[in-house]
Amino acid sequence: EPEVTQTPSHQVTQMGQEVILRCVPISNHLYFYWYRQILGQKVEFLVSFYNNEISEKSEIFDDQFSVERPDGSNFTLKIRSTKLEDSAMYFCASSEARGQGAWEQYFGPGTRLTVT
Amino acid sequence: QKEVEQNSGPLSVPEGAIASLNCTYSDRGSQSFFWYRQYSGKSPELIMSIYSNGDKEDGRFTAQLNKASQYVSLLIRDSQPSDSATYLCAGNFGNEKLTFGTGTRLTIIP
Repeated sequence: EPEVTQTPSHQVTQMGQEVILRCVPISNHLYFYWYRQILGQKVEFLVSFYNNEISEKSEIFDDQFSVERPDGSNFTLKIRSTKLEDSAMYFCASSEARGQGAWEQYFGPGTRLTVT
Repeated sequence: QKEVEQNSGPLSVPEGAIASLNCTYSDRGSQSFFWYRQYSGKSPELIMSIYSNGDKEDGRFTAQLNKASQYVSLLIRDSQPSDSATYLCAGNFGNEKLTFGTGTRLTIIP
């Protein structure tokens, strides 16, 4: 069964460093998302991406964040200058289409980001 | 601000019984709802989606949606120890993102 994959599974970085989290969405899916979950808290939306551009973003997704689809399979989240409060699980998700009944989003296994 | 609310639990149910999980939401616009299961340290796993008023059944799971009362529920029949997890209710309110509740921790007691 097709699945979303993410690398690395765990990333440790120092405050102020740049990190890139990578995702391979399900191959026939057109919509891509990043969510994060701080330990013990709810899953929060960061950004959605369609047709090579951001379609929606949350207030969390400020100028230190960026997303890119560098080729036909990968989808990346870059955090330019990490802060301690960026420590969280970051989940990539993808969905096949949009419209009523078509918003089923499938999540990858996540990348645990630890900022020290 | 569109919100999805869940009782955080924990909810303890004997093995073989029915587990009932509930969720309320604050927006009356276009809505679709999803139930995800999340094991500790793992990612959300989609188990049910529901878009219309009424019931939707899939195996041991039944999702119920009542748009007039703004609640969504998930019933798990014949509960198994492997059903022990946190269940996340998520809504899509006409835009692209999912809005998640805090989740209900379910424990099935053998």
